[in-house]
Amino acid sequence: DVKVTQSSRYLVKRTGEKVFLECVQDMDHENMFWYRQDPGLGLRLIYFSYDVKMKEKGDIPEGYSVSREKKERFSLILESASTNQTSMYLCASSPTGRNEKLFFGSGTQLSVL
Amino acid sequence: GENVEQHPSTLSVQEGDSAVIKCTYSDSASNYFPWYKQELGKRPQLIIDIRSNVGEKKDQRIAVTLNKTAKHFSLHITETQPEDSAVYFCAASIAHYGGSQGNLIFGKGTKLSVKP
Repeated sequence: DVKVTQSSRYLVKRTGEKVFLECVQDMDHENMFWYRQDPGLGLRLIYFSYDVKMKEKGDIPEGYSVSREKKERFSLILESASTNQTSMYLCASSPTGRNEKLFFGSGTQLSVL
Repeated sequence: GENVEQHPSTLSVQEGDSAVIKCTYSDSASNYFPWYKQELGKRPQLIIDIRSNVGEKKDQRIAVTLNKTAKHFSLHITETQPEDSAVYFCAASIAHYGGSQGNLIFGKGTKLSVKP
């Protein structure tokens, strides 16, 4: 069974801090994604990556960056956390090809105070 | 870019009744339409998907229909049970065969409550 693991389930940070959210998948998937989930807004794509060292902006990239140094690991970075970045962050992965099924991690609930 | 609208935002049904959730999309090139279920406190999971070369797909009590002309697709759950209570998300993307996949654009979700 595919496992997508996010390093923290809950995280509390202060405004202005640099925040790292880590995601690791164990199925050799090429594609990895970071989504943000807010009540009433659904799942919004922040950044994605189709290959190592490759990254592309999603719909709401402002205030975020990503890193993909290894195929299995995709990190989301909040350069200077702000209160409006308080949210549930979901990582997902999928294999390349016709099967676009996303496998999600269990999420990180980030609170920025 | 693609935009996906989902209705209703909340839906309450009695156990045993049917539930229908509807989505519309804007990009006529979209050709892949999955539905994800997210139970409280858990990760979203794919429950059914449909591609644009098919009009309907069924899997036990759930079915999805697609109307390409009208650019809408729907999730149908029959004989609902309390364990169907969850948030359901529709999504759309453009899948490129043999090449890079399109990104999934999600609807805002429907909270389904099934009352025993």
